[in-house]
Amino acid sequence: DAGVIQSPRHEVTEMGQEVTLRCKPISGHDYLFWYRQTMMRGLELLIYFNNNVPIDDSGMPEDRFSAKMPNASFSTLKIQPSEPRDSAVYFCASSPWVAGGRGADTQYFGPGTRLTVL
Amino acid sequence: RKEVEQDPGPFNVPEGATVAFNCTYSNSASQSFFWYRQDCRKEPKLLMSVYSSGNEDGRFTAQLNRASQYISLLIRDSKLSDSATYLCVVNWGGTASKLTFGTGTRLQVTL
Repeated sequence: DAGVIQSPRHEVTEMGQEVTLRCKPISGHDYLFWYRQTMMRGLELLIYFNNNVPIDDSGMPEDRFSAKMPNASFSTLKIQPSEPRDSAVYFCASSPWVAGGRGADTQYFGPGTRLTVL
Repeated sequence: RKEVEQDPGPFNVPEGATVAFNCTYSNSASQSFFWYRQDCRKEPKLLMSVYSSGNEDGRFTAQLNRASQYISLLIRDSKLSDSATYLCVVNWGGTASKLTFGTGTRLQVTL
């Protein structure tokens, strides 16, 4: 069974360029999460979706970041324009809905996209 | 104050040793608790949930102290393969489905 798929795995770009990260969640999962991980700040939640609807984007650092989920099997995180401080590993995770429970509890992470902005 | 705090380590222990990590959280209304494991340059993976009564999974024991707002993980008979970063994770609960991650405690098990 395929896990969460992310592409690209590595991205090197120059400051000011647009960057698009892609994620395919596990089939049947209702929740999708985008995280950013840096040495200084650890793993930070940027935004999450429930049934393709953005629920909480309070972690999105600024207007340069945007995320979409046009259907249940695909999501994008876009940075425009990119800056060197955006360099980090970006993880996508998905989780299933659990009756009577909290949907975020068991999250399955993709392998991440390592972004370097020069 | 950070929402979830952990000692970053590293904890360097010999194979076969017992090692324990603690984590504190700030939100007393937190509802669910976990330990995730992250290997170097890999994604985090759920290691185990943490229940109020404490729970064990093989060599791993997790405990929760709600009164003091801390969570612990005990690893017995450490193996080289246990070397990783251990992330303490909390779900604040309610209608939100958000996990808050600590910055992790790094464990290095040596021969």
